[in-house]
Amino acid sequence: DGGITQSPKYLFRKEGQNVTLSCEQNLNHDAMYWYRQDPGQGLRLIYYSQIVNDFQKGDIAEGYSVSREKKESFPLTVTSAQKNPTAFYLCASSIVRAGANVLTFGAGSRLTVL
Amino acid sequence: QQQVKQSPQSLIVQKGGISIINCAYENTAFDYFPWYQQFPGKGPALLIAIRPDVSEKKEGRFTISFNKSAKQFSLHIMDSQPGDSATYFCAAFIMYSGGGADGLTFGKGTHLIIQP
Repeated sequence: DGGITQSPKYLFRKEGQNVTLSCEQNLNHDAMYWYRQDPGQGLRLIYYSQIVNDFQKGDIAEGYSVSREKKESFPLTVTSAQKNPTAFYLCASSIVRAGANVLTFGAGSRLTVL
Repeated sequence: QQQVKQSPQSLIVQKGGISIINCAYENTAFDYFPWYQQFPGKGPALLIAIRPDVSEKKEGRFTISFNKSAKQFSLHIMDSQPGDSATYFCAAFIMYSGGGADGLTFGKGTHLIIQP
């Protein structure tokens, strides 16, 4: 079955540590996205990538970094510069063509800073 | 500046009733309006979507009503069931004719509880 796989599902981190969240898709989608979800805040865009080796900052990119070396993979690193990293992180992907650009989401990764 | 405002933040409906969630947008360039359903601990999943050239779209018990002049759209869940209990997000974006999209914006979500 095609889909988006995020790992790990749960992650605990000590303050000052960088962590990387994995996102892999086998949908052959061009675009990939990272969102952060906090209670009452909805979904806020961290980074997105329309093609390999290119990515753009979203609304809350500070303290995060990404790479897009392969079409299937879009890992997110939460750095120690992120002041409040405890959140639910969602990866998504979409086809980039007319009439079809609707997001498919992964199951999410919950990061807790101890 | 929040471009898509969603209300209410939470909603409790009796089983068999009608659940109504409203969204209002500001950017008149938006031309695609999806709704997502999210269960606890899961990612959102596309539920239903509408283009502004129609005023209503129905899929089973779920209906989107769209009012272009008022820049508002709403989700109606008929005969609401306990299994519909979830968080619902509206969204809006610009879909380019040549492919790609821009300005994808989500509402803040509505936590819906259907009481048995």
